Amino acid sequence: SQTIHQWPATLVQPVGSPLSLECTVEGTSNPNLYWYRQAAGRGLQLLFYSVGIGQISSEVPQNLSASRPQDRQFILSSKKLLLSDSGFYLCAWSVRGGNQPQHFGDGTRLSIL
Amino acid sequence: AQSVTQLGSHVSVSEGALVLLRCNYSSSVPPYLFWYVQYPNQGLQLLLKYTSAATLVKGINGFEAEFKKSETSFHLTKPSAHMSDAAEYFCAVNGGAGNKLTFGGGTRVLVKP
Repeated sequence: SQTIHQWPATLVQPVGSPLSLECTVEGTSNPNLYWYRQAAGRGLQLLFYSVGIGQISSEVPQNLSASRPQDRQFILSSKKLLLSDSGFYLCAWSVRGGNQPQHFGDGTRLSIL
Repeated sequence: AQSVTQLGSHVSVSEGALVLLRCNYSSSVPPYLFWYVQYPNQGLQLLLKYTSAATLVKGINGFEAEFKKSETSFHLTKPSAHMSDAAEYFCAVNGGAGNKLTFGGGTRVLVKP
């Protein structure tokens, strides 16, 4: 069966520090991968998605970036965190092809001080 | 373009009572629709999906949803609420490149004993 792992589960970082969140998927090949953010009291915002290694689509302009160095690995990064980057970050995967559900990891709670 | 509207950001029900969560969608193509549940500090879990095979869809935890094309609705119901149903619920429609989902704003369910 397929599983998705995100780490760390919680992270507290000072303003201006760098960020690296990692997500890996097991049990499937060539998945679509996604990064979302949930800010407090707000819905889900799609940040990035990827349909293949090295292929990243950005949904919103921001100081975050994403990379996919391997087929089942998706990394969310920032060079300098802002207070507004606080939130709950979720990674998800789906089977390629149309109309497939996405499957989510357990998330990373990021607090910026 | 797709959009999803969930009526009611908060719903309060008594234990044993009917749970009804409303979702209306807009889609330029035949929609594929999903309901997800999110417990505190966790990722989203797929409850059920509509993929045009049947208009009444049964999901996990006793939930079901009915697709009504004429009303552009996909409301989620459960005949008898349980305390463990307290969570946030998201409706989503599939569309666009990369198998992206468009989510509604979510409905938080409170179950009273």
